[in-house]
Amino acid sequence: GEDVEQSLFLSVREGDSSVINCTYTDSSSTYLYWYKQEPGAGLQLLTYIFSNMDMKQDQRLTVLLNKKDKHLSLRIADTQTGDSAIYFCAERSFNKFYFGSGTKLNVKP
Amino acid sequence: SQTIHQWPATLVQPVGSPLSLECTVEGTSNPNLYWYRQAAGRGLQLLFYSVGIGQISSEVPQNLSASRPQDRQFILSSKKLLLSDSGFYLCAWSTLERDVETQYFGPGTRLLVL
Repeated sequence: GEDVEQSLFLSVREGDSSVINCTYTDSSSTYLYWYKQEPGAGLQLLTYIFSNMDMKQDQRLTVLLNKKDKHLSLRIADTQTGDSAIYFCAERSFNKFYFGSGTKLNVKP
Repeated sequence: SQTIHQWPATLVQPVGSPLSLECTVEGTSNPNLYWYRQAAGRGLQLLFYSVGIGQISSEVPQNLSASRPQDRQFILSSKKLLLSDSGFYLCAWSTLERDVETQYFGPGTRLLVL
């Protein structure tokens, strides 16, 4: 399958910005996604970006895509304690979605 | 609106016992359906996906099987559970929305095999 890689942990202070990074391998991916998983729950789709875009902004979330380097990032502005969760990036290839291992975001008050 | 249900929410089963997890989707027709397993502190491993009734693709060899007896029903089964089958099982469905294939997840079933 395709490789999607993320760092495992990120710790920030409340009010700071968080940047979660992801690298992927399939250059033919048309869409890339960010999901959020709170403890004991399923994954919630946060946002996605089309591969011909460099950036997408949605309220406090900014997605940056560097297609040349196959690098995707999710920036959360003014991070709140409620943003503490595991964040997954994913790419879609053919009929399947490939997920990274998830980045656990810890927001300290 | 679309809804995805999974049950049970938690399950404790002895080694060697059978398993049946059910997932149903409401509010859509002919969805692609998926079963994932998430081991503790790990990412998602795709187990099975289905593009239609009776059509199942298996991603990894294992003692699990899947069936899709109806359009919006996806069942994960095992005849004999292993300790290594413990994990968080997530069902998901995907659909094309404004030309984007988007995937939505159920609440998950936590399985503990003892």
